[in-house]
Amino acid sequence: AQKVTQAQTEISVVEKEDVTLDCVYETRDTTYYLFWYKQPPSGELVFLIRRNSFDEQNEISGRYSWNFQKSTSSFNFTITASQVVDSAVYFCALSKGGSEKLVFGKGMKLTVNP
Amino acid sequence: DGGITQSPKYLFRKEGQNVTLSCEQNLNHDAMYWYRQDPGQGLRLIYYSQIVNDFQKGDIAEGYSVSREKKESFPLTVTSAQKNPTAFYLCASSIAGLPYNEQFFGPGTRLTVL
Repeated sequence: AQKVTQAQTEISVVEKEDVTLDCVYETRDTTYYLFWYKQPPSGELVFLIRRNSFDEQNEISGRYSWNFQKSTSSFNFTITASQVVDSAVYFCALSKGGSEKLVFGKGMKLTVNP
Repeated sequence: DGGITQSPKYLFRKEGQNVTLSCEQNLNHDAMYWYRQDPGQGLRLIYYSQIVNDFQKGDIAEGYSVSREKKESFPLTVTSAQKNPTAFYLCASSIAGLPYNEQFFGPGTRLTVL
């Protein structure tokens, strides 16, 4: 069965610190997709990135970067020089059985203090 | 602006009452989803629909019902059979029911049973 583990439940940092959010997944599928979503205090989830199982290239988008390693079944997310606006709950998700259904981790609450 | 609207934002219900949560999208997406979020938990799929007049149960469908009479609308009814309905409910949509399509989320409805 598919499973996503976000071991950290809550992290608090000071502005400008770098922070890494861990995501470990389990699946028997050979083709799958991994996602990161951000949930700000307003409530709606915002899509950040998608990665398919055949693409292990790391990706950088501004202050955000993602490290996908199939060997360790991990898809970690790093925020460089964090800002107060990064405060949110972050979810890692995995496509379930080749379908559009997603399995979500429990989320990690990030608080960035000024 | 294209997006997903959910109403109401807050909803209070007495025990034993059915209540319907609204979800409308103008993104012309085929697939729509309902999730439940409990504190400290990830999102859990209640129901999803890939096309009009068709929908499937998710992981926690008991005590809930849906309809999909129009492409843009996917209302969720929380029935009196749902034992613990107090939660945050999120509606989402995607272009098509494919595993690599990101899902777009509405702002959510917070349901409280009194």
